[in-house]
Amino acid sequence: AQKITQTQPGMFVQEKEAVTLDCTYDTSDPSYGLFWYKQPSSGEMIFLIYQGSYDQQNATEGRYSLNFQKARKSANLVISASQLGDSAMYFCAMREAQGGSEKLVFGKGTKLTVNP
Amino acid sequence: NAGVTQTPKFRVLKTGQSMTLLCAQDMNHEYMYWYRQDPGMGLRLIHYSVGEGTTAKGEVPDGYNVSRLKKQNFLLGLESAAPSQTSVYFCASRRQGTRAFFGQGTRLTVV
Repeated sequence: AQKITQTQPGMFVQEKEAVTLDCTYDTSDPSYGLFWYKQPSSGEMIFLIYQGSYDQQNATEGRYSLNFQKARKSANLVISASQLGDSAMYFCAMREAQGGSEKLVFGKGTKLTVNP
Repeated sequence: NAGVTQTPKFRVLKTGQSMTLLCAQDMNHEYMYWYRQDPGMGLRLIHYSVGEGTTAKGEVPDGYNVSRLKKQNFLLGLESAAPSQTSVYFCASRRQGTRAFFGQGTRLTVV
């Protein structure tokens, strides 16, 4: 079963508008963490934002915020004021404990295109 | 700071050949991971390691072996390459509870 589900293969947004990229997860571990990474066409993996399962407030990093709804097991990424440079693949990932170690698994990604 | 370095960056193999991909990190991280990235599939975990001398299977371990003889190095081996193993391979490292740092990727083509 998929641990991380990203249901939007592709998204389009106009420059300067906000966009939400969806991510749902599945875990029975009470202690877990959720990450978002950006992968531009150059191929590098760029860390954006992190949310721990016990964090009381939603994480924010500049124009990025994470809409964490624990009961619904969702961790959506919100990008405010989109820029052309935001066009990229976006991956949601989860770390969860597995017998004392921590796996880190990714979703299939969402391709975001920002239109001028 | 080098961070996470993958060697080689590109490689073409013939079916049945073997090769080893090297991942080296200089951040003293406990955890190291190998992923493969294929179009539409995201990053799929092949194997991972929680410390020197330990390895564990991920989501798609078949056809691959790994070793972590030194804390800073994590090797991914293909004993008999198949065209289905054509992919981009990423290595990552991290400390427990923190984010992962990625290498620049290795583009492998098996013909």
